[in-house]
Amino acid sequence: AQKVTQAQTEISVVEKEDVTLDCVYETRDTTYYLFWYKQPPSGELVFLIRRNSFDEQNEISGRYSWNFQKSTSSFNFTITASQVVDSAVYFCALSEAGTGGFKTIFGAGTRLFVKA
Amino acid sequence: GAGVSQTPSNKVTEKGKYVELRCDPISGHTALYWYRQSLGQGPEFLIYFQGTGAADDSGLPNDRFFAVRPEGSVSTLKIQRTERGDSAVYLCASSLTGRGWETQYFGPGTRLLVL
Repeated sequence: AQKVTQAQTEISVVEKEDVTLDCVYETRDTTYYLFWYKQPPSGELVFLIRRNSFDEQNEISGRYSWNFQKSTSSFNFTITASQVVDSAVYFCALSEAGTGGFKTIFGAGTRLFVKA
Repeated sequence: GAGVSQTPSNKVTEKGKYVELRCDPISGHTALYWYRQSLGQGPEFLIYFQGTGAADDSGLPNDRFFAVRPEGSVSTLKIQRTERGDSAVYLCASSLTGRGWETQYFGPGTRLLVL
């Protein structure tokens, strides 16, 4: 069965600090997709990044970077030089083939507070 | 272009009543998903439509929950005999074809409160 674990419930940092959000997943499939979404206080989930199971290349986008390691089933997300606007709940998600198509399972989320 | 829209944004009802929640996906998106998000939790999968048909409804908690998408665009999530435990934010998302790698675009959600 698929499962996504985000062990950090809340993280609080001061602006300009770096912060890493952890994500560990479980799946029996060899083909799967991993995502990170951001949910700001307004409530609407915003897509950040996608990775497929065959591509372990890490990615950097501005202040955001992602570290995908199949050996440890982890897909961690780092924000460099955090800003107050980064305050939100961040969700890691796993998509794998289900009964009629692809089913997405979300972790419980990590709430990030960035203080000025 | 317009994103995913959901109506109403908030719904307050009494225990035992029937409610309908509506989702308008992005035009041209064939896949539509319903999720339920309880306070402090991640979105929980309910049902996934591919066109007009429910491709996977394994997340519906019981037979009080039902969803339709009769013309392959707008979808309605229906909850009968509501219970206080049904209180949550109901999220709708759509994607172009439903393949696993596709980004799902989420609506703002409907906040349901059952008194």
